[in-house]
Amino acid sequence: GDSVTQMEGPVTLSEEAFLTINCTYTATGYPSLFWYVQYPGEGLQLLLKATKADDKGSNKGFEATYRKETTSFHLEKGSVQVSDSAVYFCALSDQSYGKLTFGQGTILTVHP
Amino acid sequence: DGGITQSPKYLFRKEGQNVTLSCEQNLNHDAMYWYRQDPGQGLRLIYYSQIVNDFQKGDIAEGYSVSREKKESFPLTVTSAQKNPTAFYLCASHGGQHNSPLHFGNGTRLTVT
Repeated sequence: GDSVTQMEGPVTLSEEAFLTINCTYTATGYPSLFWYVQYPGEGLQLLLKATKADDKGSNKGFEATYRKETTSFHLEKGSVQVSDSAVYFCALSDQSYGKLTFGQGTILTVHP
Repeated sequence: DGGITQSPKYLFRKEGQNVTLSCEQNLNHDAMYWYRQDPGQGLRLIYYSQIVNDFQKGDIAEGYSVSREKKESFPLTVTSAQKNPTAFYLCASHGGQHNSPLHFGNGTRLTVT
């Protein structure tokens, strides 16, 4: 079946540091890939998505490129802020409807 | 503003009691979902419904039940048969367009003692 593996957390960075959160996937078809973010006490919000190989999703300074050859969708940001502290989830959808397979989540803490 | 409302935000129950979590959406979405979130395990799908009066089991449906009598509402009942009910429960909806994202509510944290 489909699966998503994220890098082990938690990740702790200083403000303005470079961020990478690794995500790899296993899927039988041609999935769409997503990054969701969860702030404390809230539900998940879509951060960015990519629907086919070599697509780059971007939003709020975050980027991720759909790499079919390495089955990866790593999240990056050049300069993190304290307000980026949250839990980040990588997910895939291998069907036309909204059934997603999620990774285990990565907790990011950014210190001033 | 359109969105998904989950209530209550915090819920406490004694072991052996059934409890129902509310989920209402005004996005006019056909599909609705219930996920369970546990620390370090990501989200796991409990039940989903693609249309009124129809629903399917997800990956961890045992000990849960749902109903979908109205398009706007998809309540989840956590029964006494659920062995580890304490968790954060998230409701979501989907508009049906290919590759469009899930919209999530803010969740209900259920504690059973």
